[in-house]
Amino acid sequence: EVQLVESGGGLVQPGGSLRLSCAASGFTFSSYWMSWVRQAPGKGLEWVANIKQDGSEKYYVDSVKGRFTISRDSAKNSLYLQMNSLRAEDTAVYYCARSRWPFHFQYGMDVWGQGTTVTVSS
Amino acid sequence: DIQMTQSPSTLSASVGDRVTITCRASQSISSWLAWYQQKPGKAPKLLIYKASTLESGVPSRFSGSESGTEFTLTISSLQPDDFATYYCQQFNSYSPWTFGQGTKVEIK
Repeated sequence: EVQLVESGGGLVQPGGSLRLSCAASGFTFSSYWMSWVRQAPGKGLEWVANIKQDGSEKYYVDSVKGRFTISRDSAKNSLYLQMNSLRAEDTAVYYCARSRWPFHFQYGMDVWGQGTTVTVSS
Repeated sequence: DIQMTQSPSTLSASVGDRVTITCRASQSISSWLAWYQQKPGKAPKLLIYKASTLESGVPSRFSGSESGTEFTLTISSLQPDDFATYYCQQFNSYSPWTFGQGTKVEIK
């Protein structure tokens, strides 16, 4: 079964750090672009970051540049999001997602995790 | 950055109605647009990619079309399971892969 399972969310104080993980199974992880998408409480979806299948290209939404780092480990079939200098506005459910076709990013994201909740509050 | 303007934000409809949701891109995105359905507390589900290609397993009452920078999701006959929030997302460039603001389809 193709599956993504996120972990690592929790409550953190403003200025703090968290590392999210996403464990992939059931597909050739090393062939797919992967992304993080978040959703603040009661709000819409926001794409956060993506990473090419070999990790050679990474892109971020402006609001997290310099604070968040996306990475992947194909040996562990895992995607990560290191989040530093967290702010209240980073409070959201964070989803990892797989691009629809191997080696391409333009065809949407077809496999999503269940999400992990990050709350930034003092 | 490319902006995606989705409308309406809320739509009230009845079972059996034909429903249309629109996304307008701020510049050309070719056909690199996807549509998702999201239900409360759940992850989004891919419905359509490349503007008009139906994802495997998605009912044929869903369809997508494009005209220039305007993209449309149509549900030909709304079913009880279709009451949800729908989002468009563009993939024209490497980043950012912007979403529309979402359209909540409610029971009339």
